[in-house]
Amino acid sequence: NAGVTQTPKFQVLKTGQSMTLQCAQDMNHEYMSWYRQDPGMGLRLIHYSVGAGITDQGEVPNGYNVSRSTTEDFPLRLLSAAPSQTSVYFCASMAGGPPRDNEQFFGPGTRLTVL
Amino acid sequence: AQTVTQSQPEMSVQEAETVTLSCTYDTSESDYYLFWYKQPPSRQMILVIRQEAYKQQNATENRFSVNFQKAAKSFSLKISDSQLGDAAMYFCAYRSPYSGGGGNKLTFGTGTQLKVEL
Repeated sequence: NAGVTQTPKFQVLKTGQSMTLQCAQDMNHEYMSWYRQDPGMGLRLIHYSVGAGITDQGEVPNGYNVSRSTTEDFPLRLLSAAPSQTSVYFCASMAGGPPRDNEQFFGPGTRLTVL
Repeated sequence: AQTVTQSQPEMSVQEAETVTLSCTYDTSESDYYLFWYKQPPSRQMILVIRQEAYKQQNATENRFSVNFQKAAKSFSLKISDSQLGDAAMYFCAYRSPYSGGGGNKLTFGTGTQLKVEL
């Protein structure tokens, strides 16, 4: 199993450009999520999905869109990048059902810089 | 809403010594999950240890153990026999017990940077 994969690992954008951060998992996990990590602030939830076709907003959703057309993929779209979106982005997945023993698996992260 | 606080931005420990990282949290839920994640320079988030609030016994994983004080809402991580490979950012995190939706989200603290010195 590759686990959770993210592409690209690094990206530099200019203000106003759009791009999609890719996330895929091969563990047949129902739950997927996107976090951003900023210095001194820990990780904060952007969007999440509880299954194909179902998404919802997290703590900091503004400026980001998501969709979940398949169980495996959960892309994060920046429609018009802003310098405030400079951050490290993590995708995570977790098996569905009662979370009592479930662990969230994280991808390797994408470092995004918006100039 | 739940909050997680890590009041030590940086900690240092000598190799082979013991260090304790602090974490406090605020919640109105009676059952929940607490985690410590390690983030080395590679950026990868690695689960170190987890604790379920309904279990009174403190979790242990090899050199890593926790001191879970539910009434005080405290969840500290003790690293024994520290090794150079333990140097990393450590995050404390909280998760609600409810499945589905936002209940699966992790609420993170701001992290503690651990340095291990020879």
